[in-house]
Amino acid sequence: AQTVTQSQPEMSVQEAETVTLSCTYDTSENNYYLFWYKQPPSRQMILVIRQEAYKQQNATENRFSVNFQKAAKSFSLKISDSQLGDTAMYFCAFMSLDGNKLVFGAGTILRVKS
Amino acid sequence: AAGVIQSPRHLIKEKRETATLKCYPIPRHDTVYWYQQGPGQDPQFLISFYEKMQSDKGSIPDRFSAQQFSDYHSELNMSSLELGDSALYFCASSDRTSGGAYNEQFFGPGTRLTVL
Repeated sequence: AQTVTQSQPEMSVQEAETVTLSCTYDTSENNYYLFWYKQPPSRQMILVIRQEAYKQQNATENRFSVNFQKAAKSFSLKISDSQLGDTAMYFCAFMSLDGNKLVFGAGTILRVKS
Repeated sequence: AAGVIQSPRHLIKEKRETATLKCYPIPRHDTVYWYQQGPGQDPQFLISFYEKMQSDKGSIPDRFSAQQFSDYHSELNMSSLELGDSALYFCASSDRTSGGAYNEQFFGPGTRLTVL
């Protein structure tokens, strides 16, 4: 079974600065998908970014980018130019290639301060 | 663009009562997933359906049952409710048939169930 670990329960960052959220996972599969989801106070689950394990290039979506280290089974999220609206819970998630259930980490609460 | 619809958005029940949560997937999506998120916890996968057949099963209690109907909407039936069932229940949908190897799950807003 796959497991996802987020070792940072809470993080804080000043507005306009950069922050990195950590995630490690465990799987015996070679191909899979990894995601970062954002859950603001509204509790809506919002997809931030995804990474296919067979792609070596790190995914980027505007201010959000990942550092995917397949051998180390590490998948960190970097948020540049942090904005107050980035304040939320962030979940790292794993999905097998057969595309069924998502396995989530425990989440990291990110607070952006003005 | 149309999103996943869940009803009701909020539900309050007493212990030992039953509850039915409904999920209407994005049009033309053929797969539905149910997740349970307890207070301060990450979402846990309960069950999924593809083309009206159960596709995968997670940590769903025997007191819960679910199905997907011919119009692809899904219902999660919960009986003998316990205090610990209080949670946010998410439904997500995807287009597995057309999505290829990757079928993104689109989440609904969730149903907040409170058991008193």
